[in-house]
Amino acid sequence: AQTVTQSQPEMSVQEAETVTLSCTYDTSENNYYLFWYKQPPSRQMILVIRQEAYKQQNATENRFSVNFQKAAKSFSLKISDSQLGDTAMYFCAFMKQLLNDMRFGAGTRLTVKP
Amino acid sequence: DVKVTQSSRYLVKRTGEKVFLECVQDMDHENMFWYRQDPGLGLRLIYFSYDVKMKEKGDIPEGYSVSREKKERFSLILESASTNQTSMYLCASRGSPTHEQYFGPGTRLTVT
Repeated sequence: AQTVTQSQPEMSVQEAETVTLSCTYDTSENNYYLFWYKQPPSRQMILVIRQEAYKQQNATENRFSVNFQKAAKSFSLKISDSQLGDTAMYFCAFMKQLLNDMRFGAGTRLTVKP
Repeated sequence: DVKVTQSSRYLVKRTGEKVFLECVQDMDHENMFWYRQDPGLGLRLIYFSYDVKMKEKGDIPEGYSVSREKKERFSLILESASTNQTSMYLCASRGSPTHEQYFGPGTRLTVT
C-alpha cells in the first residue's frame, strides 16, 4: 500500500517570506500523480498544484512550486511571498495511475503571520 | 465551476441511530469518494464509487455502507452510529481525464 508522510504537523512563516512544506511517499509504482491540496479554516479543500511522475520538470502555479525528487520519493511545496490568505491546512496526496483512490498525508497546518 | 454539495454542515446524532450523509455533484463525474478527516490522521478513505451502483471499500469501511443509485449522488450510511464515528466527513468527486478531485464543504458529525 502507498503511504504519504508529512513530517511537519505545524509551521509558521512571516508574511512575504518563503516557506517549504515537506512530503515523502512510498511506492513501487513508476507512473503516478502527486498533489498538494489546501484547506483554509472552515472552507472547502482546493487543489493547489499537481505533478505527474513521468514529467521531470517541476510544476509551478504562480507563487506555488514543487520540488519533485522521484528517486528520493520526495515532493515538497514551496510557497513564495507568503500571504495571510495562505493560512490553511496543506495536504500532500498520491494517486496511482489508472487507479481510483487517492492517498493523503496527515497534513501540515501553516500559519502566515503579519 | 464544479460544485460538490453535502446535505449538512453540522449534524448531532445519538449512539445507535442510523445516519445518512448525502453528497451531490453537478459535473457528471464518474468517480465519487467518502473520506473522514481526523486531526493528525489526515483524510482516510471510507468508500468510493466509479459508476452507478458500483462501490469499493477504502481503508476504513467498517461501520459504514454507501449507496449510489444515481450518477450525481453518493450517500454514506452509518447503520448504527457510535461515538468513535464522531468526525468530519468529506465527499469528493473526480472526472477521470483530469484526476483532480473536487471536495464538498464537509459534514461535522457528532455522535453522543
